[in-house]
Amino acid sequence: EAQVTQNPRYLITVTGKKLTVTCSQNMNHEYMSWYRQDPGLGLRQIYYSMNVEVTDKGDVPEGYKVSRKEKRNFPLILESPSPNQTSLYFCASSLSRGLGANVLTFGAGSRLTVL
Amino acid sequence: AQKITQTQPGMFVQEKEAVTLDCTYDTSDPSYGLFWYKQPSSGEMIFLIYQGSYDQQNATEGRYSLNFQKARKSANLVISASQLGDSAMYFCAMTLGGGGGNKLTFGTGTQLKVEL
Repeated sequence: EAQVTQNPRYLITVTGKKLTVTCSQNMNHEYMSWYRQDPGLGLRQIYYSMNVEVTDKGDVPEGYKVSRKEKRNFPLILESPSPNQTSLYFCASSLSRGLGANVLTFGAGSRLTVL
Repeated sequence: AQKITQTQPGMFVQEKEAVTLDCTYDTSDPSYGLFWYKQPSSGEMIFLIYQGSYDQQNATEGRYSLNFQKARKSANLVISASQLGDSAMYFCAMTLGGGGGNKLTFGTGTQLKVEL
């Protein structure tokens, strides 16, 4: 089954404790991205990657890091989480050819709480 | 830069009725794509429908249709014959062509409740 898999799905952590949210896709997609969803704000892009070793900032990158060492994986790293990073996080992927092909497939989401 | 506006935070519709969810967008790029996603209470994001800026006809997918009015910069989602399972949050989103990459810019969403 074609899918984007995120882990963990739920996490409660404390301020300053480094954490990684993993993301893996099995569709050979070039493009991968991370979004966060907050009430009243919709989804906002954190980082994206057009291909292996190519990453760039989205709209809200502060406090986050990413890497793309393999095509299928795109982990999101919070080096020193803070309470304002409490949010619902989505990883998504798509092909990179033409507008119509850019239908993002989303993971199931990771709900993160930072105390 | 692009912007998506959804002005209806919440809407109610009776089962079997049609409902229109509003979406307006702003961009100066002539090449763009418009999307609608559904987010049920379980949280996943489900792709519903896509409209390209150069598409001559309005997109349709089953009970979903996109009322694309380019001059007014609107891309309203029409759901016909609403069902209880349509109760969800609905997001309008846009991506730009010509080097804009695959970034989706989302609106703030409309919470739809279908009632008996």
